[in-house]
Amino acid sequence: SQTIHQWPATLVQPVGSPLSLECTVEGTSNPNLYWYRQAAGRGLQLLFYSVGIGQISSEVPQNLSASRPQDRQFILSSKKLLLSDSGFYLCAWKRVANNSPLHFGNGTRLTVT
Amino acid sequence: DQQVKQNSPSLSVQEGRISILNCDYTNSMFDYFLWYKKYPAEGPTFLISISSIKDKNEDGRFTVFLNKSAKHLSLHIVPSQPGDSAVYFCAASAHNQGGKLIFGQGTELSVKP
Repeated sequence: SQTIHQWPATLVQPVGSPLSLECTVEGTSNPNLYWYRQAAGRGLQLLFYSVGIGQISSEVPQNLSASRPQDRQFILSSKKLLLSDSGFYLCAWKRVANNSPLHFGNGTRLTVT
Repeated sequence: DQQVKQNSPSLSVQEGRISILNCDYTNSMFDYFLWYKKYPAEGPTFLISISSIKDKNEDGRFTVFLNKSAKHLSLHIVPSQPGDSAVYFCAASAHNQGGKLIFGQGTELSVKP
């Protein structure tokens, strides 16, 4: 069976510090990978998605970036965090086939102080 | 531009009765629709989906209805149970768009014993 791991579960970082959130998927190969963010009291906003190693599509301009160094590894980064970067970050994967659902990790609660 | 809308932020239902959660979309290219359930501090869990070639899909207590002409879908839960209390998100995707899902804002369902 497939599993998705996302860490850390919670993170408190000062403004201006760097960020690195990691996500790995097990039990499948060549998945599509996604980073979403849920701001307080709001819906899920797609930040980045990847259909293959080194292929990153950005949905929202911001000071975050994503990388996919390996087939089942997806990393969300920032060089300098802003207060507005606080939120709940979710990694997800899906099979390449059409009409298949996304499967989410348990998320990272990021608080920028 | 909110392509997927859930206009009711909350819904309260008595245990054993039917819960009906609604969702509207604007993009006529969407051809796959999903419902997710989310508990606080956890990632969303996939519940049920429907492709645009169908108007109904049923899985146990959960049924999703799709009205393409009205660009409307709904999730029926019957009978509702206290454990169904959570935030429910509808989501939609269009084929050849990298499998990315566009989410609504969510509806918080409270099922009272």
